[in-house]
Amino acid sequence: TQLLEQSPQFLSIQEGENLTVYCNSSSVFSSLQWYRQEPGEGPVLLVTVVTGGEVKKLKRLTFQFGDARKDSSLHITAAQPGDTGLYLCAGGDNAGNMLTFGGGTRLMVKP
Amino acid sequence: NAGVTQTPKFRILKIGQSMTLQCTQDMNHNYMYWYRQDPGMGLKLIYYSVGAGITDKGEVPNGYNVSRSTTEDFPLRLELAAPSQTSVYFCASSLGREIEKLFFGSGTQLSVL
Repeated sequence: TQLLEQSPQFLSIQEGENLTVYCNSSSVFSSLQWYRQEPGEGPVLLVTVVTGGEVKKLKRLTFQFGDARKDSSLHITAAQPGDTGLYLCAGGDNAGNMLTFGGGTRLMVKP
Repeated sequence: NAGVTQTPKFRILKIGQSMTLQCTQDMNHNYMYWYRQDPGMGLKLIYYSVGAGITDKGEVPNGYNVSRSTTEDFPLRLELAAPSQTSVYFCASSLGREIEKLFFGSGTQLSVL
């Protein structure tokens, strides 16, 4: 069973601060996705990375896939209250049929 | 533009009761999935389907059954509800393999008392 560990589990910061969320595994994944989930809703895909070392930027969010495709990070610059939510990473198996989700990082950005 | 629709949104069951969680998608997606999310946790895959008539077990299938008679519908059946099945259930779909974007429904919050 492939496992993904996310850290930190909880993060409370002030508006304007920077933060990094980590997603780590001992297993190699064919792809890595990041989702954001708001209360009462399903997760919404933010990004998919598929190549080791790949970096993708989405406005103030920067996603990186580790060289060995075992880990990933999400960096948010100048966090805003609208960034509040549960951030989930999910790794794809080589067959492409199953996603393994991490436990999530709950982020709260205070005005 | 409905996407993935789940019903009901909330349900309370007594131990031993059965129920079916409904899921339908209007995007003509081949792949459909059922996940459960326990409080403060990530999502665990219960069952998935790669097309009508084809289903397969995920990580936590015990206590659940599924069927996929049409492309649109993927119901999840709980036969003998147990307190351990208290969770939020999400249905999702994707056009192809999981490397594709998953579209999630808004979830069904189930309590078994």
